[in-house]
Amino acid sequence: RKEVEQDPGPFNVPEGATVAFNCTYSNSASQSFFWYRQDCRKEPKLLMSVYSSGNEDGRFTAQLNRASQYISLLIRDSKLSDSATYLCVASNTGNQFYFGTGTSLTVIP
Amino acid sequence: EPEVTQTPSHQVTQMGQEVILRCVPISNHLYFYWYRQILGQKVEFLVSFYNNEISEKSEIFDDQFSVERPDGSNFTLKIRSTKLEDSAMYFCASRKRGGTAGELFFGEGSRLTVL
Repeated sequence: RKEVEQDPGPFNVPEGATVAFNCTYSNSASQSFFWYRQDCRKEPKLLMSVYSSGNEDGRFTAQLNRASQYISLLIRDSKLSDSATYLCVASNTGNQFYFGTGTSLTVIP
Repeated sequence: EPEVTQTPSHQVTQMGQEVILRCVPISNHLYFYWYRQILGQKVEFLVSFYNNEISEKSEIFDDQFSVERPDGSNFTLKIRSTKLEDSAMYFCASRKRGGTAGELFFGEGSRLTVL
C-alpha cells in the first residue's frame, strides 16, 4: 500500500483559475505534512508546511484532515509560473519522509 | 542563503562500476538523507543518517549501497557495482532538527546514467 497517494493529473488550467489538489496518507501515525514543488528535472523545494488548523501563504492554502487522513492544496489566481509538479509529503516520528507521486499542473495563458 | 550542494551533477558509468556521489549538507543541519528519483517516477527514500550512523534505510538500500560522512562536511553515497536500474537522479537532503519539526532541504541532484 502506498504511504501517500495523489492524483497525478495532469491539471491544465487557465491563468487566474483556482485549482485544488488532494492527497491521502495511509499511516495514521504520520505527524508532519508538507507540500513540495518540483520543476522539471529539478530538486523538490518546500512550498509550505501543513498545519492542523490549516494555513495560508499568499495565494496558497493548505488543509489537513487527520480524521480522513487527507491533505489538500488550493492555489488561487494561478500564474504561469505555478506550472510544476506538486508533491504531497508525510513524515512520521522516525524521520522518514514519504513522497506522493506528484500532481502535474500546467497553467495556460 | 545556505544550500545543499551535490557533485557531480551528471555521471555516466558502465554497469558494474563503482560510483560515489558527494553532498555537502547545510552546515548546522544534523540529519542527512539520500533519495532517488527514476525518471517520471516518485521521489524514493534510500537512507537517513544521524550522529554518524544510519538511522533508517529502505528496501532499495541493499548491500550495494553505503553512506559515509568522512569529515565534518561531506556526506557520500557509494554504489559498489552499478546496475542499469540504478540510473536515476539522486538527491541529497538535510534537515536541521528531527522529530516532527523541520523541513527537508534538497540539493540539485546528481544524475546517474548506467550504460
